[in-house]
Amino acid sequence: GESVGLHLPTLSVQEGDNSIINCAYSNSASDYFIWYKQESGKGPQFIIDIRSNMDKRQGQRVTVLLNKTVKHLSLQIAATQPGDSAVYFCAENPPMNRDDKIIFGKGTRLHILP
Amino acid sequence: DTEVTQTPKHLVMGMTNKKSLKCEQHMGHRAMYWYKQKAKKPPELMFVYSYEKLSINESVPSRFSPECPNSSLLNLHLHALQPEDSALYLCASSQDSRANYGYTFGSGTRLTVV
Repeated sequence: GESVGLHLPTLSVQEGDNSIINCAYSNSASDYFIWYKQESGKGPQFIIDIRSNMDKRQGQRVTVLLNKTVKHLSLQIAATQPGDSAVYFCAENPPMNRDDKIIFGKGTRLHILP
Repeated sequence: DTEVTQTPKHLVMGMTNKKSLKCEQHMGHRAMYWYKQKAKKPPELMFVYSYEKLSINESVPSRFSPECPNSSLLNLHLHALQPEDSALYLCASSQDSRANYGYTFGSGTRLTVV
């Protein structure tokens, strides 16, 4: 089965509020994590990444938190806007002996309420 | 140029047809990927090319045949597909096959097999 999963398949948030999307991973050796945003009809778009030697990283309106103790990843979006409506995937890059490949979680759909 | 370009955007083909999907990037990335994505599912890895050599084939049926003519181009040749192969086919690239730099995805080809 997949080693990366999500706690909520759909999240509805009021416009202007903060959104928190959660993700659990199972491979404690994974050393790199990425959040992707996929809008309807488009490919996944890189949002933010974090390496395992960090526990927090901030971008523009987004923050990723990594809790290695419980193998949990979250994406926080500040002041959610209509353009944030999309499916969000977390992905991990577990170390392997061959070419690396990232493993995607199941995805969370973020729905913005007016 | 920071994009991955995929053509065509949409393709309808019969089960006896032969068609090709094309992917191009000019970011100097040396790893390129084909993913298949069904509706409401995360992308599933099909093939990885590293420095123009096929490095990963995720047990994909032989009716899908990848080709990497040079470091900027990636093709996916399709022959005798089945209706269940209908999906969004995504191409991605990264700096190298050690995916710790994230992937850049194209917008995909929406394939319908009739």
